[in-house]
Amino acid sequence: GAGVSQSPSNKVTEKGKDVELRCDPISGHTALYWYRQSLGQGLEFLIYFQGNSAPDKSGLPSDRFSAERTGGSVSTLTIQRTQQEDSAVYLCASSLSSPAGVYETQYFGPGTRLLVL
Amino acid sequence: RKEVEQDPGPFNVPEGATVAFNCTYSNSASQSFFWYRQDCRKEPKLLMSVYSSGNEDGRFTAQLNRASQYISLLIRDSKLSDSATYLCVVNKRSYIPTFGRGTSLIVHP
Repeated sequence: GAGVSQSPSNKVTEKGKDVELRCDPISGHTALYWYRQSLGQGLEFLIYFQGNSAPDKSGLPSDRFSAERTGGSVSTLTIQRTQQEDSAVYLCASSLSSPAGVYETQYFGPGTRLLVL
Repeated sequence: RKEVEQDPGPFNVPEGATVAFNCTYSNSASQSFFWYRQDCRKEPKLLMSVYSSGNEDGRFTAQLNRASQYISLLIRDSKLSDSATYLCVVNKRSYIPTFGRGTSLIVHP
């Protein structure tokens, strides 16, 4: 079946512009995660959605970052007034469900490579 | 001390060699453990879960040592296609896992 898809695959933007990154999770997966991976670094958690619950935004690095998930499926990560340090690969992952205390296998999308000039 | 630490490598080994990686974690309350594989410019993919009793999947063996707070991954009879970065993932009683920075493996002919 279809995996997690993300768009665009690459994005080059100028400092100060806003960008929107999209994630389509696997159908039926209620949990959705956004991560950021800078060159040679590990995955940095950004935000987590689970069903209709309020998202866990504890990993968002600044108020320039926001995300939403419409209809419990597609999610959009928005970065306002981009800075050069925002350049990274933004990865989305989904899993069947993640009740507290349980970790389900995550399936990652191919990522969006963002370059801020 | 970082929550999850890995030797970044690279581990450079010939085909057919046996290679092992360790990953240490700081929180003794950690509940579940995994190894993911990430190929260059690709997304991470689950390689295997790590159980207390140890588990094996073909040429790959994962072990958990709770007393010393580390997990290990052993790869036997290395193949060229095993070249990748191996990410250690540790999860406390939470839905947010912690990823290590990864260990790079290069298998050469």
